[in-house]
Amino acid sequence: NAGVMQNPRHLVRRRGQEARLRCSPMKGHSHVYWYRQLPEEGLKFMVYLQKENIIDESGMPKERFSAEFPKEGPSILRIQQVVRGDSAAYFCASETGSGANVLTFGAGSRLTVL
Amino acid sequence: GEDVEQSLFLSVREGDSSVINCTYTDSSSTYLYWYKQEPGAGLQLLTYIFSNMDMKQDQRLTVLLNKKDKHLSLRIADTQTGDSAIYFCAESMDTDKLIFGTGTRLQVFP
Repeated sequence: NAGVMQNPRHLVRRRGQEARLRCSPMKGHSHVYWYRQLPEEGLKFMVYLQKENIIDESGMPKERFSAEFPKEGPSILRIQQVVRGDSAAYFCASETGSGANVLTFGAGSRLTVL
Repeated sequence: GEDVEQSLFLSVREGDSSVINCTYTDSSSTYLYWYKQEPGAGLQLLTYIFSNMDMKQDQRLTVLLNKKDKHLSLRIADTQTGDSAIYFCAESMDTDKLIFGTGTRLQVFP
């Protein structure tokens, strides 16, 4: 079991470009969460998805950010027209959807906007 | 509201016990968690406690929960240099998302 896989691990974009971050959950996990960690800060919830369904997107900025978790393939966090303030580590976590809500985290994708 | 607070830093000598504290606001939280983050890495679950428990012990780790005061603590016995990391507490909400604290940076010196 390879755990939660995120790629790319590091991504550099210029202002105005698009960033796409991918997350493959652990085998058997059907629930995916995205969190953002700004430098020297804690994790902030962004979005919670199940396959083909957004369950809670209360932490997503209203513009430029979107997330999906298709029937096949990884979950994608997409940031359009990136700005310097988007520079952060983006963590994906997955869980089975039952029991104690124990999240398994990926190693994160670190986005740097120049 | 959703707010989980922790002190920012803790420094201890190797071999001593470390106690990391956390306060949360949502009395309806069902589970509370402790995660560890090493530099450049993701979060690793250390332990969690169900809200109807007041203590859980797992090897060197002891979690204490005071539900009345909404206070959670993590005690690490015989702290080692490898325990140096950032420790996050988190509470689960009714929508299944976890709300994390700001993290406590533990530094262990010889």
